[in-house]
Amino acid sequence: EAGVTQFPSHSVIEKGQTVTLRCDPISGHDNLYWYRRVMGKEIKFLLHFVKESKQDESGMPNNRFLAERTGGTYSTLKVQPAELEDSGVYFCASSQDYSADTQYFGPGTRLTVL
Amino acid sequence: SQKIEQNSEALNIQEGKTATLTCNYTNYSPAYLQWYRQDPGRGPVFLLLIRENEKEKRKERLKVTFDTTLKQSLFHITASQPADSATYLCAALNDYKLSFGAGTTVTVRA
Repeated sequence: EAGVTQFPSHSVIEKGQTVTLRCDPISGHDNLYWYRRVMGKEIKFLLHFVKESKQDESGMPNNRFLAERTGGTYSTLKVQPAELEDSGVYFCASSQDYSADTQYFGPGTRLTVL
Repeated sequence: SQKIEQNSEALNIQEGKTATLTCNYTNYSPAYLQWYRQDPGRGPVFLLLIRENEKEKRKERLKVTFDTTLKQSLFHITASQPADSATYLCAALNDYKLSFGAGTTVTVRA
């Protein structure tokens, strides 16, 4: 069974540009999460989808971040315009049960904003 | 505010010894605590979950305890091996949301 996949693995962009990160969850997992780790800090929750619906986006830092999950399958996280403080590693995770006993994480996308 | 603290950034131990990692939480009562392993360039990998009404959980050479009075979880790796070298993350799970500690990097010397 394929795990959670994320694309790209690395992205380097200039401040003010737009970047779109993609996450493909494990097939059949209704729950999809985005987390991120900025330099020197712990991994923090960004948002949670159940199928195509945003269940909780309380961790999204500001309105420069937009997450979508078309058709309840893969998800994208767009940052527009990117700022220096957006640099970090963005992780996607998925789980089968709403109680979220086990979340399976992807390898992450390392974003560098110059 | 809610906080998860892992009190050691790094732990160096000799192969065969037991590594003990500490996770403390403040200002809330998580229903579950989880432990993850993270290797460089990889995402966290789930290891163990312990519920608030459980005192101890084991899986092979791993053992986790949960003390709700002390607001603390201990994670033990017994008979450690160089392959156990990694960063270990404690995370509290409330509802569906994970709150992570900063992690402890364990290095096992052969």
